[in-house]
Amino acid sequence: DIQMTQSPSSLSASVGDRVTITCRASQGISNYLAWFQQKPGKAPKSLIYAASSLQSGVPSKFSGSGSGTDFTLTISSLQPEDFATYYCQQYNSYPPTFGPGTKVDIK
Amino acid sequence: QVQLVQSGAEVKKPGASVKVSCKASGYTFTSYGISWVRQAPGQGLEWMGWISAYNGNTNYAQKLQGRVTMTTDTSTSTAYMELRSLRSDDTAVYYCARDYSGSNPTYWGQGTLVTVSS
Repeated sequence: DIQMTQSPSSLSASVGDRVTITCRASQGISNYLAWFQQKPGKAPKSLIYAASSLQSGVPSKFSGSGSGTDFTLTISSLQPEDFATYYCQQYNSYPPTFGPGTKVDIK
Repeated sequence: QVQLVQSGAEVKKPGASVKVSCKASGYTFTSYGISWVRQAPGQGLEWMGWISAYNGNTNYAQKLQGRVTMTTDTSTSTAYMELRSLRSDDTAVYYCARDYSGSNPTYWGQGTLVTVSS
């Protein structure tokens, strides 16, 4: 199985900050990478697919980049509703695997 | 709008089985598949498997092979996930999600808490 790692595991940030989360795959996955946002007690929400394509309805403050093994999720200006845990997921090969998550909380 | 509504919370004893339902609406059910993902308390997301609502083809996570069965009822646009021989480490929130090919879930259900305890 492809192993996914994320860094940092958690971060504290202020409203208005630019935040970047890194995801790394244990082997090349082309651009078959998705990002999800999860708030406490809620289901995950799909943000990005194919490494950089925004899901319908997702605000443009979210952006994704990368290819191969290294990927990033950037939130351009953090807002109160963005405090959550973010997961990456590879779907280049079965089984799809998720990263351990990055918790973004308020500084 | 796309909606996936799951059945309610369950409490089961070790060794028992549980069957979780996921009723879809707002799209053509047979045009997509359904993935199942679980999340143990305080832990990350674990992909369990996928079923095509078009032809019933399935892909299961290897660690669950033999204990999990995913089915669909196209007459009611409902997907089901049955997990047998439950253990305490199966305690988790179970999510269904619309997923075209079994790799990229998009719309998610609200989750079903399954607690396994003697």
